[in-house]
Amino acid sequence: GQQLNQSPQSMFIQEGEDVSMNCTSSSIFNTWLWYKQDPGEGPVLLIALYKAGELTSNGRLTAQFGITRKDSFLNISASIPSDVGIYFCAGQGPDKLIFGTGTRLQVFP
Amino acid sequence: KAGVTQTPRYLIKTRGQQVTLSCSPISGHRSVSWYQQTPGQGLQFLFEYFSETQRNKGNFPGRFSGRQFSNSRSEMNVSTLELGDSALYLCAGRIDRGYGYTFGSGTRLTVV
Repeated sequence: GQQLNQSPQSMFIQEGEDVSMNCTSSSIFNTWLWYKQDPGEGPVLLIALYKAGELTSNGRLTAQFGITRKDSFLNISASIPSDVGIYFCAGQGPDKLIFGTGTRLQVFP
Repeated sequence: KAGVTQTPRYLIKTRGQQVTLSCSPISGHRSVSWYQQTPGQGLQFLFEYFSETQRNKGNFPGRFSGRQFSNSRSEMNVSTLELGDSALYLCAGRIDRGYGYTFGSGTRLTVV
């Protein structure tokens, strides 16, 4: 099935460090989304991006929608233990989401 | 406000059996989508229903089917289960196009 390319696949960082992950696609999307999934739960929306070049923040999270509409990145500043989880990007197509391969984040105290 | 409810949370079935999963979206959310999540393939779109009609379908075999009722609740059915159908099945509701999705916690299906 179709998936967006997300990197890195996993990250192990120390509490307080900043984190950056990105997502690329061969297709153009008009909306990019970033989700976080905790173990045993469904994805929860973190940030939505609607315009090429748009930079949006949500607390310690910042995401940007690439100019070409084929990529996006997510930054997490000053990581804390509850940031642990899997982060997914998603491009919104007609009546469906195309998800990235995910970035697993581990935060050590 | 109640979230998206998926039942059951866990299920174990034998190869060849069939299974029905249920999803109740947030009140007012008329669209329900289903996704399959596996370690190998990640999150893959199955289908979306809106007002009891299938609006889009992913690339899954005909063994996977769904329906939506007048109260927006949706069911997903998988017939003749295979080992590879073991996955977390997630449903997501939204008001309609142009609105965001809210995911349920999923049903973990294990086929043995």
